[in-house]
Amino acid sequence: GESVGLHLPTLSVQEGDNSIINCAYSNSASDYFIWYKQESGKGPQFIIDIRSNMDKRQGQRVTVLLNKTVKHLSLQIAATQPGDSAVYFCAENPQANAGGTSYGKLTFGQGTILTVHP
Amino acid sequence: KAGVTQTPRYLIKTRGQQVTLSCSPISGHRSVSWYQQTPGQGLQFLFEYFSETQRNKGNFPGRFSGRQFSNSRSEMNVSTLELGDSALYLCASSFWGANYGYTFGSGTRLTVV
Repeated sequence: GESVGLHLPTLSVQEGDNSIINCAYSNSASDYFIWYKQESGKGPQFIIDIRSNMDKRQGQRVTVLLNKTVKHLSLQIAATQPGDSAVYFCAENPQANAGGTSYGKLTFGQGTILTVHP
Repeated sequence: KAGVTQTPRYLIKTRGQQVTLSCSPISGHRSVSWYQQTPGQGLQFLFEYFSETQRNKGNFPGRFSGRQFSNSRSEMNVSTLELGDSALYLCASSFWGANYGYTFGSGTRLTVV
């Protein structure tokens, strides 16, 4: 049958504003989370990660917050720039603690389109 | 340091044919995963290889297969192509696996006609 595209959430901000992108994850056993940025024609690019023993982690202009109680992840981008315009994905690794061995699977969220206006 | 290299970048195949995609991971990386990305389903996990062994497999039919060589390079094969196999196929590599962060290649855009 005819496929229906995912209706990705969109976030539109002005250059210099702070952006917050949210993600609800599915597996309460997941203990490793990553945010990726994907620009048109490119593969996903690693932004920042966080493990479940942390609530917050900061990078350059980016902060990830993890709320395990409600299975929620957010990415904050400070002083958003036009070059930040892209699709942002959260991903979880549900088997990171399986005997200390990862089995390489990431489960991705549907993505959020961020548009930054100059 | 070279990134993850996928070849070819673009491919057009006819329904019923088979196709092989190649992925060269970052030097020293032993884990290679493959993902399918479509507008309808988003990013979906296909399989993961570590030191030539498949450690995990996603929910795809048996027409999708892969392998990893001793130098960690990986290939995936899709047999009896269907129109719905048209997608961006992404390869990602990591030293140990997903919980150390994957670096993705730019993908192979497969179009089945």
